[in-house]
Amino acid sequence: GAGVSQSPRYKVAKRGQDVALRCDPISGHVSLFWYQQALGQGPEFLTYFQNEAQLDKSGLPSDRFFAERPEGSVSTLKIQRTQQEDSAVYLCASSSWETGRWAFGSGTRLTVV
Amino acid sequence: SQQGEEDPQALSIQEGENATMNCSYKTSINNLQWYRQNSGRGLVHLILIRSNEREKHSGRLRVTLDTSKKSSSLLITASRAADTASYFCATDAPNAGGTSYGKLTFGQGTILTVHP
Repeated sequence: GAGVSQSPRYKVAKRGQDVALRCDPISGHVSLFWYQQALGQGPEFLTYFQNEAQLDKSGLPSDRFFAERPEGSVSTLKIQRTQQEDSAVYLCASSSWETGRWAFGSGTRLTVV
Repeated sequence: SQQGEEDPQALSIQEGENATMNCSYKTSINNLQWYRQNSGRGLVHLILIRSNEREKHSGRLRVTLDTSKKSSSLLITASRAADTASYFCATDAPNAGGTSYGKLTFGQGTILTVHP
């Protein structure tokens, strides 16, 4: 596609529920990032993939957060046993080595009730 | 953790006026980028300035970078109501090996409101 696509656009989860957020990067983009943006704050880095390899997961806040990109294209961010503090917008970004530019998706707004 | 601080936190101006936003950061960087975010939307890349550059222009945008002060500014000239958004600076810093894969560290943003 023309841009980075994220789904769902909005997700309401009951506390304790598992959720899966999807990111479709721009075709051919090697690098993929996940960021978490709390209300009124700037995005914070969660994890980074180069193709299918997860090279940096230092930003994942707990072991309830898990990300994968098995075929080096689509990525899924999974949050297990959601807590209220997980409520945020989750942004996905991809980039190519050629341009060095980052393209962000519109994000998934997760609300845990 | 947030790398930078932006000021002001909020800025309200009239259409046609200029808007200036400032960003400070803490570590050495490869480049600094500015992004715009409309309410409920994703981030739109505005401009990238490398650590060896001091000023860059793109349309009505002017960005300066002072690496000695670890600060940057974004100037929007002749603002329009459509410029109303949150603006974020983000830094791409080298890792321990001196390289970078593009991990960005964002400031907390400036909320700009342009009144018609």
